[in-house]
Amino acid sequence: DTEVTQTPKHLVMGMTNKKSLKCEQHMGHRAMYWYKQKAKKPPELMFVYSYEKLSINESVPSRFSPECPNSSLLNLHLHALQPEDSALYLCASSQGVRGGTDTQYFGPGTRLTVL
Amino acid sequence: AQSVTQPDIHITVSEGASLELRCNYSYGATPYLFWYVQSPGQGLQLLLKYFSGDTLVQGIKGFEAEFKRSQSSFNLRKPSVHWSDAAEYFCAVVPNTGFQKLVFGTGTRLLVSP
Repeated sequence: DTEVTQTPKHLVMGMTNKKSLKCEQHMGHRAMYWYKQKAKKPPELMFVYSYEKLSINESVPSRFSPECPNSSLLNLHLHALQPEDSALYLCASSQGVRGGTDTQYFGPGTRLTVL
Repeated sequence: AQSVTQPDIHITVSEGASLELRCNYSYGATPYLFWYVQSPGQGLQLLLKYFSGDTLVQGIKGFEAEFKRSQSSFNLRKPSVHWSDAAEYFCAVVPNTGFQKLVFGTGTRLLVSP
């Protein structure tokens, strides 16, 4: 099973709302990632978790707050977002973070619209 | 500067015709190389990857890619395109620095005409 699931599929929120995106994998992977993808652009890395610890934060604004409660789950908490944060948010996982031979498996994404 | 380049923004191919999507990279050491496909509004699916060894790599859905060190290229090919192949294709690399960070090219949108 090489499936990464993401919920919800779509999310519309106002600039004062607080919401969360959820990602889950049951492949025993120890690395999980959040990417942001704007329309007609490639995905851009936001955060990397390795063994439930934050390894990389690509200078993401603090209105995005990641959380990795256990090795299978990854959350992205959203607060006070701006309309320019509207995008497809992709989650991925891989066996590890060191060694380029680990393949990243992507979920279907959450389409976020900020009004 | 280190980069991944996909020179074609759009490509239109007739159904049944052959396809080649170009990818060039600029890194000091050969990175790990990947091709992903993304259907509209969907996540990314791995088509194939190259780490070492045989320079012709077979992937899923009838795709293959050839690594050419002398040209710093990793072009994706398919002998006969199907309408369902219409999608966005991303070449991606993981630099050979020991950290797993995917760097994507800008993507090529494939359109398939009847």
